[in-house]
Amino acid sequence: GAVVSQHPSWVICKSGTSVKIECRSLDFQATTMFWYRQFPKQSLMLMATSNEGSKATYEQGVEKDKFLINHASLTLSTLTVTSAHPEDSSFYICSERSQTGDNEQFFGPGTRLTVL
Amino acid sequence: GNSVTQMEGPVTLSEEAFLTINCTYTATGYPSLFWYVQYPGEGLQLLLKATKADDKGSNKGFEATYRKETTSFHLEKGSVQVSDSAVYFCASIGGSARQLTFGSGTQLTVLP
Repeated sequence: GAVVSQHPSWVICKSGTSVKIECRSLDFQATTMFWYRQFPKQSLMLMATSNEGSKATYEQGVEKDKFLINHASLTLSTLTVTSAHPEDSSFYICSERSQTGDNEQFFGPGTRLTVL
Repeated sequence: GNSVTQMEGPVTLSEEAFLTINCTYTATGYPSLFWYVQYPGEGLQLLLKATKADDKGSNKGFEATYRKETTSFHLEKGSVQVSDSAVYFCASIGGSARQLTFGSGTQLTVLP
């Protein structure tokens, strides 16, 4: 299956700062990538769909000015958490969809964000 | 859209015990079904999948059969190991839904 990497794997920051998380597709060109958020002991919540060369599509209730998504190339999507606050602390996971048409998705290893 | 209902956890078993984690789905049309596994501190890994009715997905001793008549995709393993301890997510996509829909996840702990 496809390989998706994320960087950093964990980050601790002060309240009010911005944090950028990178998601890379290592072995094929991904026109669409997905960003999820996961709270402890809970399921994944889709935040937005990142489309290469165009604006991201955000799910209802997700602040687009808070969570900036950029998909500048076919192998890189970034999520920037702006003016982070403790309630933004979470596990963020990106994903890409298989090109084979069977709807399989491949997930990155996740980024643990802790805002102090 | 689609929805996925998964057996509540946590589940604790002894090594070599039989495992069943129930999963049922609702969807318009015929979705593809998946089981993903998440080890502590990691992202999700695909465990197995089935794309049409009566398909059986299998991997690493785990199996699940796509049952259209009961709208189910229960995960089973005949003999669990300590290394199987993880969180398991059932998911669906397709039919009328364009995005992956996850169940709530089931925490499995296998004791030696």
